[in-house]
Amino acid sequence: GAVVSQHPSWVICKSGTSVKIECRSLDFQATTMFWYRQFPKQSLMLMATSNEGSKATYEQGVEKDKFLINHASLTLSTLTVTSAHPEDSSFYICSAIRGDLAVYEQYFGPGTRLTVT
Amino acid sequence: DAKTTQPPSMDCAEGRAANLPCNHSTISGNEYVYWYRQIHSQGPQYIIHGLKNNETNEMASLIITEDRKSSTLILPHATLRDTAVYYCIVRETSGSRLTFGEGTQLTVNP
Repeated sequence: GAVVSQHPSWVICKSGTSVKIECRSLDFQATTMFWYRQFPKQSLMLMATSNEGSKATYEQGVEKDKFLINHASLTLSTLTVTSAHPEDSSFYICSAIRGDLAVYEQYFGPGTRLTVT
Repeated sequence: DAKTTQPPSMDCAEGRAANLPCNHSTISGNEYVYWYRQIHSQGPQYIIHGLKNNETNEMASLIITEDRKSSTLILPHATLRDTAVYYCIVRETSGSRLTFGEGTQLTVNP
């Protein structure tokens, strides 16, 4: 099956610093990638949708200047949490849509645990 | 996308079948039913999807009622590793968004 990786799998950073999380589709080209956030004991919340070569579309309530998304190629999207604060501590999950199939299937990465101290 | 309703939690004995229900009474004709699961601290894993016919794969079976207003995911022989949150999601054929509800926490007991 299609594989999506994330790096790092976990990260601890100090308040006020920025953190970059990478999402890669390893064996397919992803026409669209998504970024989700999940707080403890809650469901996944979609943050933004990104298409290669264009600006990301952010969900209502998500600050685009704080969560910078770059989808530079068909296999890589990055999420940068700028000026991180403790309330940004969460589990960040990306997913990618494989565009070469008749039905657009979405494959998820393993997630990145961010802790801001 | 149509809204889904699932019980918050279920228990199942190891080796027995786990039947997870989902209501999607407002589903429209071009919407599929998808099931994903999320094991603790991992990304969601695709299980199965269907439109109106029952579906089966190596992981599970999906039974969709004739009026398509509800469905049941069946894990025929649950193992401890099947303990996870199971999400039932309805979305359009060509739609890309997946909207996750609260899901059902399935606990498989030894």
